[in-house]
Amino acid sequence: EDKVVQSPLSLVVHEGDTVTLNCSYEVTNFRSLLWYKQEKKAPTFLFMLTSSGIEKKSGRLSSILDKKELFSILNITATQTGDSAIYLCAVEESGGSNYKLTFGKGTLLTVNP
Amino acid sequence: DARVTQTPRHKVTEMGQEVTMRCQPILGHNTVFWYRQTMMQGLELLAYFRNRAPLDDSGMPKDRFSAEMPDATLATLKIQPSEPRDSAVYFCASGPRGGMEAEAFFGQGTRLTVV
Repeated sequence: EDKVVQSPLSLVVHEGDTVTLNCSYEVTNFRSLLWYKQEKKAPTFLFMLTSSGIEKKSGRLSSILDKKELFSILNITATQTGDSAIYLCAVEESGGSNYKLTFGKGTLLTVNP
Repeated sequence: DARVTQTPRHKVTEMGQEVTMRCQPILGHNTVFWYRQTMMQGLELLAYFRNRAPLDDSGMPKDRFSAEMPDATLATLKIQPSEPRDSAVYFCASGPRGGMEAEAFFGQGTRLTVV
């Protein structure tokens, strides 16, 4: 059973559109939730969220976490073709001094000109 | 420019052959992850190490996969014997695990094709 579920699995939009990507999770010892962007190669870090209701923002990207409802959203406004990528959500679980990241399957975003 | 280095970048091998993938984590990082990425399953955690000790390898098929960290600068993932269903991109990532830092830094991956 998947611990981290992302939706939609894929999305096609036009430049200038705003998109919202969803990530829900179910883990025992939640510590943080992370968003990554993966273009052709390795995932690159976008945000780390640990507290509910506090928005993280970087340019046209923003993200927020709801620890009560166990989900996070990633918003991209005024999308550009360069935003086309797989967006991955990962949840950090802690166990004592250890931690591990579990990823969702990702959302494939395609932004057409 | 600190980065995670993986070798080889590409590997094509015949079914039944042994495959060894290598990873050099960022200097000073004490947590190393191995992930496998396929179109169907997405990014799956295979194993991870902290301070060179294996903490969780439950995501790894034990009969053919093995992961080790012979020293702090090298992590290896071995498949023996390899099968066509092992074809995927294998990522290594390392993390600092200090304070609130949890982000993992990824290598460029090893694209494995087993024919």
